[in-house]
Amino acid sequence: DAKTTQPNSMESNEEEPVHLPCNHSTISGTDYIHWYRQLPSQGPEYVIHGLTSNVNNRMASLAIAEDRKSSTLILHRATLRDAAVYYCILRGGGATNKLIFGTGTLLAVQP
Amino acid sequence: AAGVIQSPRHLIKEKRETATLKCYPIPRHDTVYWYQQGPGQDPQFLISFYEKMQSDKGSIPDRFSAQQFSDYHSELNMSSLELGDSALYFCASSRTRGSYGYTFGSGTRLTVV
Repeated sequence: DAKTTQPNSMESNEEEPVHLPCNHSTISGTDYIHWYRQLPSQGPEYVIHGLTSNVNNRMASLAIAEDRKSSTLILHRATLRDAAVYYCILRGGGATNKLIFGTGTLLAVQP
Repeated sequence: AAGVIQSPRHLIKEKRETATLKCYPIPRHDTVYWYQQGPGQDPQFLISFYEKMQSDKGSIPDRFSAQQFSDYHSELNMSSLELGDSALYFCASSRTRGSYGYTFGSGTRLTVV
């Protein structure tokens, strides 16, 4: 399984944008880039995913580099409820491929 | 919208006992995944099922077994419990046709004493 590299932790101020980076230099052509977040003692929560083009949804935006070797999750206005561990995961193109969690980024949001 | 339902939410067992965790996926989701998350650790993949057949296997101990039933719910059976089995156990479901995210349940917290 292709691996991802994320910073261990990041800090942001409330109501400011947050850019969470992820490197995945060994990504294959069929790998989807998935982002999940997890609050303490809760199940991971789907945030966004994409293949080649940038993606937007109500929670966040995903910017994918042209060579697909890196991506950035963008939270447009951080709130205290966004404080969580954010996981960047490569999911193989096979229909039933599992998600392999690495060490995500612990995002702290300051009021 | 319906989410992934896991039961029980909390379970306390003694060493060498057995435990059964249940997972009810989102309707029309055809794949179920089980994960184990120890204290301070990241979720580890255990096993998955697609259309009631085992589709992939991770670092699942031989003492654990799982199956998916005709109604698509899944059960994780754990025998000869050890203290190290104490963890959060998550179930996730997804739909294989098309490109979708995975939906996780709230988990079962298993404590082995």
